[in-house]
Amino acid sequence: DAGVIQSPRHEVTEMGQEVTLRCKPISGHNSLFWYRQTMMRGLELLIYFNNNVPIDDSGMPEDRFSAKMPNASFSTLKIQPSEPRDSAVYFCASSSAGGPDYEQYFGPGTRLTVT
Amino acid sequence: KNQVEQSPQSLIILEGKNCTLQCNYTVSPFSNLRWYKQDTGRGPVSLTIMTFSENTKSNGRYTATLDADTKQSSLHITASQLSDSASYICVVSAYPPGNKLVFGAGTILRVKS
Repeated sequence: DAGVIQSPRHEVTEMGQEVTLRCKPISGHNSLFWYRQTMMRGLELLIYFNNNVPIDDSGMPEDRFSAKMPNASFSTLKIQPSEPRDSAVYFCASSSAGGPDYEQYFGPGTRLTVT
Repeated sequence: KNQVEQSPQSLIILEGKNCTLQCNYTVSPFSNLRWYKQDTGRGPVSLTIMTFSENTKSNGRYTATLDADTKQSSLHITASQLSDSASYICVVSAYPPGNKLVFGAGTILRVKS
């Protein structure tokens, strides 16, 4: 199994630009999670989906952030417009059971730098 | 307020030595506690997940303990190896299942030869 796949691995963009991060969960997993990690705030859960439906988006910092899961094998996290404070590593994780209480498998992350 | 505090913030030990990392939490009601290992530049990898009824769980040289009464957990690493150098993150989930996870800031462990 290839594990959770994220792209791009690194993204550098200018303030105000739209950024789209992509995630392919492990085949057969029905829960998908987006996290953000910074030195200041550590790891934070942004949103999670169960069976392609967003269940809890209370961690999404503001309206500039949006996430979609159009099918079981693909999800996107979009930031529009991006700001320097969005610079972080964004992780996607998937799980074979519903909700965040079960074992999650993380992708390698996307390192986002907004200048 | 639901919080997870980890100590120490960082730790340096010699290869072959044992060490113990601490996690104290105020999350209530409690559902489960997990320890993750995160190598530099990689995503976290789950080491153990424990519910309130479990007080010890092992994964190779890693042994996690949980005291739900005092709301404390520890991660003991036996016979450390250079590859144990990583950040160790404690994460607590509140009950009922599906509630948001509360993350600790992590302990950075460096194993020296």
